[in-house]
Amino acid sequence: EAGVTQSPTHLIKTRGQQATLRCSPISGHTSVYWYQQALGLGLQFLLWYDEGEERNRGNFPPRFSGRQFPNYSSELNVNALELEDSALYLCASSRIPSGETQYFGPGTRLLVL
Amino acid sequence: GQNIDQPTEMTATEGAIVQINCTYQTSGFNGLFWYQQHAGEAPTFLSYNVLDGLEEKGRFSSFLSRSKGYSYLLLKELQMKDSASYLCAVKDYGQNFVFGPGTRLSVLP
Repeated sequence: EAGVTQSPTHLIKTRGQQATLRCSPISGHTSVYWYQQALGLGLQFLLWYDEGEERNRGNFPPRFSGRQFPNYSSELNVNALELEDSALYLCASSRIPSGETQYFGPGTRLLVL
Repeated sequence: GQNIDQPTEMTATEGAIVQINCTYQTSGFNGLFWYQQHAGEAPTFLSYNVLDGLEEKGRFSSFLSRSKGYSYLLLKELQMKDSASYLCAVKDYGQNFVFGPGTRLSVLP
């Protein structure tokens, strides 16, 4: 069974540009979670999608947005990039109900210059 | 509010036993998860507890006390490759995953 995949693995942008990050969940998983992990820090929850709907979002500005497609893959968009957006962006997928863990993708490392 | 606490860093010696504690206050409880994250890599699932007690998986065990809002991860026969960050996460009633800050474990020879 294929794991969670993310693309691209690395992304370099300049301040003010937009970044699009993609995630494909494990087959059969309907939930996709996005996290930001700045260097040396913990996971900060960004967004949660399930069945195509945004279920919850973390304490991030509106320039962080995303969507989930009918095949359950997901996109994270970051507009008007700032230097502090440089981080590892992790996507995880899960099934509902409760007992299911999340499985993480390898991440996209975003560098904003 | 949602809050999960873990020690920031721990150090132990190869072959020893180490216990990493986690305390939580969340909007409901639907299970507690432990993940291992090596530097620069994605977290990987280690264990899951939803009922009180100890769950053992080889060298790793995890304990939960729901009444105390407390869990620990026990690592036995430590190996150098166990040097990593260990993340505690709680799934709340809204099916949200709330992560702790992680504990960075260094295993010394």
